[in-house]
Amino acid sequence: DTEVTQTPKHLVMGMTNKKSLKCEQHMGHRAMYWYKQKAKKPPELMFVYSYEKLSINESVPSRFSPECPNSSLLNLHLHALQPEDSALYLCASSQTGAGSTEAFFGQGTRLTVV
Amino acid sequence: AQKVTQAQTEISVVEKEDVTLDCVYETRDTTYYLFWYKQPPSGELVFLIRRNSFDEQNEISGRYSWNFQKSTSSFNFTITASQVVDSAVYFCALSEAFSGGYNKLIFGAGTRLAVHP
Repeated sequence: DTEVTQTPKHLVMGMTNKKSLKCEQHMGHRAMYWYKQKAKKPPELMFVYSYEKLSINESVPSRFSPECPNSSLLNLHLHALQPEDSALYLCASSQTGAGSTEAFFGQGTRLTVV
Repeated sequence: AQKVTQAQTEISVVEKEDVTLDCVYETRDTTYYLFWYKQPPSGELVFLIRRNSFDEQNEISGRYSWNFQKSTSSFNFTITASQVVDSAVYFCALSEAFSGGYNKLIFGAGTRLAVHP
């Protein structure tokens, strides 16, 4: 089972709203990721969690707040977003260990900020 | 700095044609990892292949084949006898090795492949 599940699939939120994106995997992976993808652009890394600890924050604005409550779950809390934050948000997970292993991605959450 | 270049923005072919997607990378690391992902309109990135920098063996998987050449810093992807279902955006990506074992994918701009019946 190589599945990463993201909810919701679509989200429309106002600039004053607070919402959360959720990601779940049951492959026993201990690394989890958030990527942001604008239309017709490649994905860009936002955050990496390794063993439930934040390992990489790619200078993401504080209106995006990640959380990794356990080894299977990854959340992205959103607050006071701007219209330019509208994008596809992709969650991924991978094994850890020596070297670099392939990441498996979810279908993403298409976020529209109005 | 690491960089991945996919010079072909869009490719259009007729079904059963062979097509090669180019990928050129830049890195100063001696150990690195290369990947290809497929992104259909549904949005999910589908993993296709991973190649380590110390393994230059080419690989074939069904209609798919990959040519890794360190001398030219290229990792090209060929689809033989293309099918309509191959229509998607294809991303080449590069990652250095982190001690924590996770990766940090640097993606190319992607190549949009359209296969017409």
